[in-house]
Amino acid sequence: DAGVIQSPRHEVTEMGQEVTLRCKPISGHDYLFWYRQTMMRGLELLIYFNNNVPIDDSGMPEDRFSAKMPNASFSTLKIQPSEPRDSAVYFCASSRLAGGPGEQYFGPGTRLTVT
Amino acid sequence: KNEVEQSPQNLTAQEGEFITINCSYSVGISALHWLQQHPGGGIVSLFMLSSGKKKHGRLIATINIQEKHSSLHITASHPRDSAVYICAVNPTGNQFYFGTGTSLTVIP
Repeated sequence: DAGVIQSPRHEVTEMGQEVTLRCKPISGHDYLFWYRQTMMRGLELLIYFNNNVPIDDSGMPEDRFSAKMPNASFSTLKIQPSEPRDSAVYFCASSRLAGGPGEQYFGPGTRLTVT
Repeated sequence: KNEVEQSPQNLTAQEGEFITINCSYSVGISALHWLQQHPGGGIVSLFMLSSGKKKHGRLIATINIQEKHSSLHITASHPRDSAVYICAVNPTGNQFYFGTGTSLTVIP
């Protein structure tokens, strides 16, 4: 298996623009997680899905952020409009179980810079 | 308020040294995890613990549930161990709390 695939790997955009991050989980995994990592706050769980259904989105910072999982092999995280404080590395992870990050497989991340 | 505290934040060691990274947490948990993040950014899981001790190669992880404390030890450290080590806890339910990481540099 190719592992968790994320695209793009790097994104630079101007404040106010819409940003869409994409994730393909490992085939057969039932859970998909979106994380954000910054120097100040470290890793934070934004949202996770089970069988394509959002289970907990309490980590989503505000209404500018939205996530979808239209099928078992694809998820998106959208920021509209983007702001400089959204600059971070966004990780997608998938797993078979709902357990913690020790059971998850992480993608390589998308480094987002909002100018 | 940080539910997970790691120490030290930064650590530099000479190759071959024994290294200890500490993690303290303030919530009841069902499991604790140690993750490794390489300089290129990739994250891999090292250990998941709910009690006692686990060993994998030169890495050893211990947890004391009563004291709400875990340690990650690296024996005979090597430059390829240079990475950020992240502690994460899993309270009951599906919330996760992460430490801010310990940046380790092992010098040849």
